Amino acid sequence: AQKITQTQPGMFVQEKEAVTLDCTYDTSDPSYGLFWYKQPSSGEMIFLIYQGSYDQQNATEGRYSLNFQKARKSANLVISASQLGDSAMYFCAMRVRENYGGATNKLIFGTGTLLAVQP
Amino acid sequence: DGGITQSPKYLFRKEGQNVTLSCEQNLNHDAMYWYRQDPGQGLRLIYYSQIVNDFQKGDIAEGYSVSREKKESFPLTVTSAQKNPTAFYLCASSMHSGGVQPQHFGDGTRLSIL
Repeated sequence: AQKITQTQPGMFVQEKEAVTLDCTYDTSDPSYGLFWYKQPSSGEMIFLIYQGSYDQQNATEGRYSLNFQKARKSANLVISASQLGDSAMYFCAMRVRENYGGATNKLIFGTGTLLAVQP
Repeated sequence: DGGITQSPKYLFRKEGQNVTLSCEQNLNHDAMYWYRQDPGQGLRLIYYSQIVNDFQKGDIAEGYSVSREKKESFPLTVTSAQKNPTAFYLCASSMHSGGVQPQHFGDGTRLSIL
């Protein structure tokens, strides 16, 4: 079964410190993609970073980096130099392929981690 | 500006009533999706569409219907058969249905029962 697991319901971090949000996944498909999204209290989902299963290097986007450990099936998000505006829900998601019409971008999501950045 | 527009932001449904949530995108994306989010939970896929005039059921399609008559539009109808419709609904789109492309989301619609 394909599944995303986020085991941290909530996290606190001091402003300017780094924080790691955990994500583990389960799939038997050798070709998959892992995404992280941020959801502020206003509700919109903001795409942060993507890691492909065949990518040799860990993905980075500004203050966001993805610690991809394929053998452990983990794709943890690292936020460096936390800012107050980083306070939000963070979701890990995985692209799953469907047989209909070839590959799709269907995503399955974890339950999320609520990050609170303290001044 | 290019983006995804969902309307209305808040919607109230009476018992036995069908309501339609609007989703429009001007990103020229091929694929569009509808998700439902319940409090404290992740997103669950309701329906998705890879091309015009075609759509597929997601994991929780019962009580919902969609249409895709135009590339830019993917409205979702919450029918009276959906017994627990109170939730936050998010529409998304992506550039290609094949390959791995990030999905971009609208701001969502909050639906409540009166």
